[in-house]
Amino acid sequence: SSELTQDPAVSVALGQTVRITCQGDSLRSYYASWYQQKPGQAPVLVIYNKNNRPSGIPDRFSGSTSGNTASLTITGTQAEDEADYYCNSRDSSGNRVVFGGGTKLTVL
Amino acid sequence: QVQLQESGPGLVKPSETLSLTCTVSGGSIRSYYWSWIRQSPGKGLEWIGYMHYSGTANYNPSLKSRVTISIDTSKTQFSLKVSSVTAADTAVYYCARGPGFGDYDGFRKYYYGMDVWGQGTTVTVSS
Repeated sequence: SSELTQDPAVSVALGQTVRITCQGDSLRSYYASWYQQKPGQAPVLVIYNKNNRPSGIPDRFSGSTSGNTASLTITGTQAEDEADYYCNSRDSSGNRVVFGGGTKLTVL
Repeated sequence: QVQLQESGPGLVKPSETLSLTCTVSGGSIRSYYWSWIRQSPGKGLEWIGYMHYSGTANYNPSLKSRVTISIDTSKTQFSLKVSSVTAADTAVYYCARGPGFGDYDGFRKYYYGMDVWGQGTTVTVSS
């Protein structure tokens, strides 16, 4: 079982805003990173630290953290945002790394 | 920019050792941590372990007894070995740069994640 918990599936209407959440005790101490993975492709980092986007990631992707929950928000969701999203951070020991179970985002 | 490429056998027999190499091009292997991550068919991402070029390593406790990661700075490569494999080790194996660890900002410690990934290589364990 993962130390980071995500909802298995979320859906959003085209152009609307969606929030994908990730819960875990270690998130009280560490920020999370978020990855987008489309079928047959390697994951792509979309958010890291408090709310930082790597070069090339659209600004409709944003991140936040409160308590034991990290969130990835997509504002004005596009059809190409349909993908699996994974959160990732350090575990409770601080020495190791853990992924959430992933959330499948469907754009309606 | 930095690119990563996994290489190694696509088929490994049960009880044998899985060996993969990740070649780093377009950048230095120094000053970073380097990770292996795998994804079983239809499942989520599983962190296997990471190593710093200085030799510091950490592994997933569930795999630690069977996993070794090493770095060859002269070849700008890092490698993964998983011993005594079973069908449960069948997966797409990814190498990645990172994670990156940062300072405390008064609320939490920064975490930079894995910012560059290889395309992944499929390994099947079967006789």
